[in-house]
Amino acid sequence: DADVTQTPRNRITKTGKRIMLECSQTKGHDRMYWYRQDPGLGLRLIYYSFDVKDINKGEISDGYSVSRQAQAKFSLSLESAIPNQTALYFCATTPGPPVDTQYFGPGTRLTVL
Amino acid sequence: AQKVTQAQTEISVVEKEDVTLDCVYETRDTTYYLFWYKQPPSGELVFLIRRNSFDEQNEISGRYSWNFQKSTSSFNFTITASQVVDSAVYFCALSGYNQGGKLIFGQGTELSVKP
Repeated sequence: DADVTQTPRNRITKTGKRIMLECSQTKGHDRMYWYRQDPGLGLRLIYYSFDVKDINKGEISDGYSVSRQAQAKFSLSLESAIPNQTALYFCATTPGPPVDTQYFGPGTRLTVL
Repeated sequence: AQKVTQAQTEISVVEKEDVTLDCVYETRDTTYYLFWYKQPPSGELVFLIRRNSFDEQNEISGRYSWNFQKSTSSFNFTITASQVVDSAVYFCALSGYNQGGKLIFGQGTELSVKP
């Protein structure tokens, strides 16, 4: 079984809809991250969390919110989806600190029409 | 500010050619870490290597090798005798010691290896 899972893997939604992307990990890591990938821009950090009570904004947090329900679960929400949020979203985990390899989930391809 | 630049957007080679992917970074941290990830057409991100700023030794792993030069702030990746299965997007990334483990990614280089 994969160590980092993301659901759904693909999602098509309409402008204005609320959508939640979920991430679960079995690696026992404290640190979790959400990134967004756009063509030609690489990956950019949306939010990250060091534990269930420690959540931080990343480079591009506007229009997104997160919830760390447990050490193993970190969800990303789009409160009112817009077309420019169409992207590939990745969840990642790392044991940290201070810096360690990040292990990525398989990604969620989101399309907002 | 931290920044990673992969100036090569796309590279196309013929199988068995050697190819080098360039990565230049900027950081004010004295301690930092550099990474390379591979993203094959299937879309997942595969970790290839992690290097810390105090270890400038070059590394070789099979057909892959990495050249880290602090003097030029570069961390280049060479594939020797490329194969079709090497076709992917390759990302270089940087994390500063006190940056909470956040990765700063370059734009990626799309490598196409033709038979």
